[in-house]
Amino acid sequence: GAVVSQHPSRVICKSGTSVKIECRSLDFQATTMFWYRQFPKQSLMLMATSNEGSKATYEQGVEKDKFLINHASLTLSTLTVTSAHPEDSSFYICSALTGANVLTFGAGSRLTVL
Amino acid sequence: EDQVTQSPEALRLQEGESSSLNCSYTVSGLRGLFWYRQDPGKGPEFLFTLYSAGEEKEKERLKATLTKKESFLHITAPKPEDSATYLCAVQASGSEKLVFGKGTKLTVNP
Repeated sequence: GAVVSQHPSRVICKSGTSVKIECRSLDFQATTMFWYRQFPKQSLMLMATSNEGSKATYEQGVEKDKFLINHASLTLSTLTVTSAHPEDSSFYICSALTGANVLTFGAGSRLTVL
Repeated sequence: EDQVTQSPEALRLQEGESSSLNCSYTVSGLRGLFWYRQDPGKGPEFLFTLYSAGEEKEKERLKATLTKKESFLHITAPKPEDSATYLCAVQASGSEKLVFGKGTKLTVNP
């Protein structure tokens, strides 16, 4: 089946630094990938839709200059949290649509900003 | 605005005690309704997609059903390994985005 790999699974950084999270579709090509954020005991909140070769589409309220998304190839999308602060600490999950219209998720990345 | 409401928020069952989880939705034309399972600290794992009212799908002890307003995830004779958070999501016609509910945390005690 379709597999999405996300790296790193855990990252701790200092306030003010930037962190990059990678999302790869391993056995299929993903024209569209999605980035979600999940707070404890909360639902998955869509941050942005990442389209290969074009600019990402951000959801209302998501700062595009803080959460930089790049989708340079059909198998790789990256999320960079710039100038991270403690309030950016969260669980970030990427996903990709397979050809069968199934949204397949990565394992998630736990970001802790000190 | 598309919305998904799941109930109950949490459910505790004894092993073998069957039950159902509810997902109520409002959407501007349903393209698909999705069920996922999420274990702590991990990404959601796909279970089912339902496309039209009256459709049913089964996988092991799980059975998902769909009406025009809600979906049920029936769990028959659950086992402790079925403990997880179950998420429901809808996809509107003409959209690729999924809108998720908050989930139901299921605990099955041995």
